[in-house]
Amino acid sequence: QSALTQPASVSGSPGQSITISCTGTSSDVGGYNYVSWYQQHPGKAPKLIIYDVTERPSGVSNRFSGSKSGNTASLTISGLQAEDEADYYCSSYTISTTRVFGGGTKLTVL
Amino acid sequence: QVQPVESGGGLVKPGGSLRLSCVVSGFTFSDYYMNWIRQAPGKGLEWVSYISGSGRTIHYADSVKGRFTISRDNAKTSLYLQMNSLRAEDTAVYYCARDYYDILTGYYGWYFDLWGRGTLVTVSS
Repeated sequence: QSALTQPASVSGSPGQSITISCTGTSSDVGGYNYVSWYQQHPGKAPKLIIYDVTERPSGVSNRFSGSKSGNTASLTISGLQAEDEADYYCSSYTISTTRVFGGGTKLTVL
Repeated sequence: QVQPVESGGGLVKPGGSLRLSCVVSGFTFSDYYMNWIRQAPGKGLEWVSYISGSGRTIHYADSVKGRFTISRDNAKTSLYLQMNSLRAEDTAVYYCARDYYDILTGYYGWYFDLWGRGTLVTVSS
């Protein structure tokens, strides 16, 4: 199972919006509405921020939103804040009933 | 606090073995699918394996199939990963992570809603 494709890095200024893409295939992202996103700060465990493509867990800011079109899912962060600077990973359920992650995207808040 | 606690990591020589453990509390362990996920130093996340609540359903990533064995003891609320024939590329922080389950609806979500802090495995001569 090949890793999902994410941009290595994105950046934005405070208050701006950014979008991180996550591209897979019809055997994972495109085939199921089981895409999730995780935020990881240095030295910390990942934290769930989006599940089932668009859903947000309780306690996660509504500045985080998810979407999907075809084989590509996206995470949008609006109103960027300094605390959003972190690594972001997408994950998808697969046709093999396994899971696959994206390579990760480093977000820099300028 | 509801957070899994991993242990058992350390330094091991190539070809060696190691057994990781993950102890959980604060929820009904036997209701949940559990996973092992790893992260090599400076690299991204890699899903390794999962096991159903009963232990009857198990899957592995191709990179560890035939070398790693996942298991659980629901009476001890513990998850395990037996790692054999270890290679340098198995060096990583290994996280124990729970799959979402809604007790009220019986809905299983294919995402990781609870993570431990991880345990570091280093494979080196």
